[in-house]
Amino acid sequence: AQRVTQPEKLLSVFKGAPVELKCNYSYSGSPELFWYVQYSRQRLQLLLRHISRESIKGFTADLNKGETSFHLKKPFAQEEDSAMYYCALSGMYSGGGADGLTFGKGTHLIIQP
Amino acid sequence: DGGITQSPKYLFRKEGQNVTLSCEQNLNHDAMYWYRQDPGQGLRLIYYSQIVNDFQKGDIAEGYSVSREKKESFPLTVTSAQKNPTAFYLCASSRRAAHGGTEAFFGQGTRLTVV
Repeated sequence: AQRVTQPEKLLSVFKGAPVELKCNYSYSGSPELFWYVQYSRQRLQLLLRHISRESIKGFTADLNKGETSFHLKKPFAQEEDSAMYYCALSGMYSGGGADGLTFGKGTHLIIQP
Repeated sequence: DGGITQSPKYLFRKEGQNVTLSCEQNLNHDAMYWYRQDPGQGLRLIYYSQIVNDFQKGDIAEGYSVSREKKESFPLTVTSAQKNPTAFYLCASSRRAAHGGTEAFFGQGTRLTVV
């Protein structure tokens, strides 16, 4: 079974401060990790994926297999970063078929001016 | 905006009635998913389908049923057996073979209320 844990329901930081949203996962195979974001009154959308090793809107996330973590980081928070953030995992059956995406419970990030 | 469409946006159902939520995509995606979103619970997977005429149960499939007769459509039926159906339902789609960093695209959601 696959599981994603986001320990913080709510995270509030001041503008310009660093941000770290925690994500830990449990999966016996080789997972793929994602961060999805939902801004107010908008659809849930992909922010970044570990396989791309990219930085999107100043956010980065590194997959740490030893710690089974995929924390999302940004050095300087901006007010427009306020949103709901979900960590997600995609597993793989041993037979090669893809598994469903499993999401964490989400972290509500609030950036205070 | 578009690609994956859910309808209706709001739905009211009387207790004991079945109701079907629509999800259509024109992205030519093989995989489609249904999630339920409750406050403080995040997104929980109900059913998913990797290919036409095939689907698998997710974590909370009891009281729900799906069909995948066409690639572009993945309707979800909330049956009277679902004990707590009032929730926000999200449909998503992605290319098959999720490995490779495949992005999932989400609909706007349907809010179901049992009255």
